[in-house]
Amino acid sequence: NAGVMQNPRHLVRRRGQEARLRCSPMKGHSHVYWYRQLPEEGLKFMVYLQKENIIDESGMPKERFSAEFPKEGPSILRIQQVVRGDSAAYFCASSPVDIAGETQYFGPGTRLLVL
Amino acid sequence: AQKVTQAQTEISVVEKEDVTLDCVYETRDTTYYLFWYKQPPSGELVFLIRRNSFDEQNEISGRYSWNFQKSTSSFNFTITASQVVDSAVYFCALSPDNYGQNFVFGPGTRLSVLP
Repeated sequence: NAGVMQNPRHLVRRRGQEARLRCSPMKGHSHVYWYRQLPEEGLKFMVYLQKENIIDESGMPKERFSAEFPKEGPSILRIQQVVRGDSAAYFCASSPVDIAGETQYFGPGTRLLVL
Repeated sequence: AQKVTQAQTEISVVEKEDVTLDCVYETRDTTYYLFWYKQPPSGELVFLIRRNSFDEQNEISGRYSWNFQKSTSSFNFTITASQVVDSAVYFCALSPDNYGQNFVFGPGTRLSVLP
């Protein structure tokens, strides 16, 4: 009865390095959402994916950020050439179906610190 | 545009006091969904409640209760007889009635329950 899994829980990178954040949705869930939480702020939507498809990436920065949800394996949020402003908590959520208002269940988050 | 306002940034109460967390939302949709999530100090997001726009009945779950008033676009959350374990950041979120829509989160209210 595992919930949404995210790893790593904490990630430290130096400016210019790449960060790869992983998310395994709840069993039976095929819809994944990524959110970013800056310090002392609420969560901001980044991207919504289904298996092998990006459905909505309207919240994703145009450069350096990418996301995928392959047929097999976890969803990956990749941040290339990280900058200090990328330091935040990144949350993944999943839902079983794509019905309006369906509850999203969140993982524990990955705290990214860019030095 | 969709927006969620949580005007109370921080609230402190003494254990056993009742406390109400305010949430005001904006949407042009006639059908929408509202959520409350709890983020304890450990950092994960815990789902508390989901309510659709056609159901204005108040809901009670143990010490938690929710007051949904469409006329004032509010979805307030009350904790009765607060406990130290209730200390957390509480987020209100809005999901419009769109296909695959992301959540719009409020900035959160930090609740501290003092012994």
